[in-house]
Amino acid sequence: DTAVSQTPKYLVTQMGNDKSIKCEQNLGHDTMYWYKQDSKKFLKIMFSYNNKELIINETVPNRFSPKSPDKAHLNLHINSLELGDSAVYFCASSQGRSNTQYFGPGTRLTVL
Amino acid sequence: AQKVTQAQTEISVVEKEDVTLDCVYETRDTTYYLFWYKQPPSGELVFLIRRNSFDEQNEISGRYSWNFQKSTSSFNFTITASQVVDSAVYFCALGNNNAGNMLTFGGGTRLMVKP
Repeated sequence: DTAVSQTPKYLVTQMGNDKSIKCEQNLGHDTMYWYKQDSKKFLKIMFSYNNKELIINETVPNRFSPKSPDKAHLNLHINSLELGDSAVYFCASSQGRSNTQYFGPGTRLTVL
Repeated sequence: AQKVTQAQTEISVVEKEDVTLDCVYETRDTTYYLFWYKQPPSGELVFLIRRNSFDEQNEISGRYSWNFQKSTSSFNFTITASQVVDSAVYFCALGNNNAGNMLTFGGGTRLMVKP
């Protein structure tokens, strides 16, 4: 069974659209994350979230918002997509702070 | 502010050679955590190892070994007798106990192992 899963794996859309990426983990972890990997492979944290707090990387535009319907899910909503949003987005989870983060397979977003 | 530097952007070796991937980090925290992740051509991020700042013991796992030295703020990764399947991008990352547990990644080292 996949520990951290993401859907869709590929997402191609037009500028200005709103889209969502779903993430689910079956590890029983209490903390989930979103990372962005750009075309040069650089990985950057976007959000950290558990049922108590949402930590937002200050560089993330407010067009991006995480939504968590329950502890096992953390979806990423993106409004008014821009060309620069094209990247691979990774979801991850861990049990508590400071513990190892396990990553999903990634979602490749292409904005045309 | 935290920073992770992987000075080697790309390394090419021939199969069976040993190769060391360098990682240097900067942090003001006294408690922190270091990680290595592997990203094969298929794109997923695979956890390899985690080290706590208070544990400088080196570790060996099969052909993989890690050398953690606080004195030089380095956490280097060595692959012995490299294989073609080791070809991937390898990332070093730094985490701490602060709010959010957000990892800071290095820029990655692309390792190409040729047959």
